[in-house]
Amino acid sequence: GENVEQHPSTLSVQEGDSAVIKCTYSDSASNYFPWYKQELGKRPQLIIDIRSNVGEKKDQRIAVTLNKTAKHFSLHITETQPEDSAVYFCAAAGGSYIPTFGRGTSLIVHP
Amino acid sequence: ETGVTQTPRHLVMGMTNKKSLKCEQHLGHNAMYWYKQSAKKPLELMFVYNFKEQTENNSVPSRFSPECPNSSHLFLHLHTLQPEDSALYLCASSQDGPRDREGDTQYFGPGTRLTVL
Repeated sequence: GENVEQHPSTLSVQEGDSAVIKCTYSDSASNYFPWYKQELGKRPQLIIDIRSNVGEKKDQRIAVTLNKTAKHFSLHITETQPEDSAVYFCAAAGGSYIPTFGRGTSLIVHP
Repeated sequence: ETGVTQTPRHLVMGMTNKKSLKCEQHLGHNAMYWYKQSAKKPLELMFVYNFKEQTENNSVPSRFSPECPNSSHLFLHLHTLQPEDSALYLCASSQDGPRDREGDTQYFGPGTRLTVL
């Protein structure tokens, strides 16, 4: 089955800095890579996703990059703001429609 | 109401109680999921239903019993739980999923915060 590793587990940055969260996956059949944000006490919500036919996708201050050869993908947040503080989960799916989630990264943005 | 809803939002139960969690999705999806989320632990997949058929049981103890009467509703029946079962239980849905299909976005409910005394 699929195995997804996510790093770091905790990331602390100053407001305005960039943040990068990295994930690796094991199943070469995976072709869909979503990222979810879970604020404290709330449900996980999709913030951006990428399919294997593209290498990068951007949406305002967030971007995701995918390297299929190396089997890794990353979330990039620029100009971080305190409201970006949350737990971020990566996931991989496609070998099975059921996604495999990473362990999560707790992002703390200090004002 | 739109999206994925869950009731109750909070539940406190004793170890000998029987209770049920309910999930309803208004998105026309065909796949529904139960996850357990404990403090400082990753999302743990428990059960998956696709077109009302259970397609995944991730080695979950029998004190958790799922039920999916139709594509819009999913229940989790709880019986003789243990304190370590205290967690946030999240329901999710996605469009559909034959096993050879590409993955789809999952839409999560708000969760039920369960405390077992």
